[in-house]
Amino acid sequence: SAVISQKPSRDICQRGTSLTIQCQVDSQVTMMFWYRQQPGQSLTLIATANQGSEATYESGFVIDKFPISRPNLTFSTLTVSNMSPEDSSIYLCSVDGPRYEQYFGPGTRLTVT
Amino acid sequence: AQKITQTQPGMFVQEKEAVTLDCTYDTSDQSYGLFWYKQPSSGEMIFLIYQGSYDEQNATEGRYSLNFQKARKSANLVISASQLGDSAMYFCAMREENTGGFKTIFGAGTRLFVKA
Repeated sequence: SAVISQKPSRDICQRGTSLTIQCQVDSQVTMMFWYRQQPGQSLTLIATANQGSEATYESGFVIDKFPISRPNLTFSTLTVSNMSPEDSSIYLCSVDGPRYEQYFGPGTRLTVT
Repeated sequence: AQKITQTQPGMFVQEKEAVTLDCTYDTSDQSYGLFWYKQPSSGEMIFLIYQGSYDEQNATEGRYSLNFQKARKSANLVISASQLGDSAMYFCAMREENTGGFKTIFGAGTRLFVKA
């Protein structure tokens, strides 16, 4: 299974600001996924990031709010823009395993005040 | 419509006993994958077990087994000989085809409490 790291592990941010979350994988992968987990909730897919193309966003998520970069096959960033308290969540990146199981990073715990 | 349904918000089990966590799913695809994940209080997501829609035998991984009943569209997780470390949130998930590719969708989760 892939080893995935995320930075930062947690942050407390003021409303109206932006935070960029980094995700690094120890092997080359085609697709990387970004999820949001709001407090006490399940995981919701934000977008799928393929290297060399624009990210594909799920319904309810837009590029202006969650811009994603995928500069190479081992790295991706997710930016949470113009934050509000409703953006307080855990943000997780993941990659596919050989049977399309997901391997997740440790998550970024974001609190917006 | 909900694609993955986990009807048990919380479950209690005595240490060393077996427990079944329920999951039903809805799809019109013939080929799909079903998964279970564990999320301890630390927040990490841990892959536990996989069942392919064409697999005739139920999947097993150590103390975890997946009771797959295709006609009923259910994929229940069975944990045998529960341990205190099994206390966590458990998510059932399904891989399905989406516009532009595939995606994994998750159920609401079941919180398991193992009692000493």
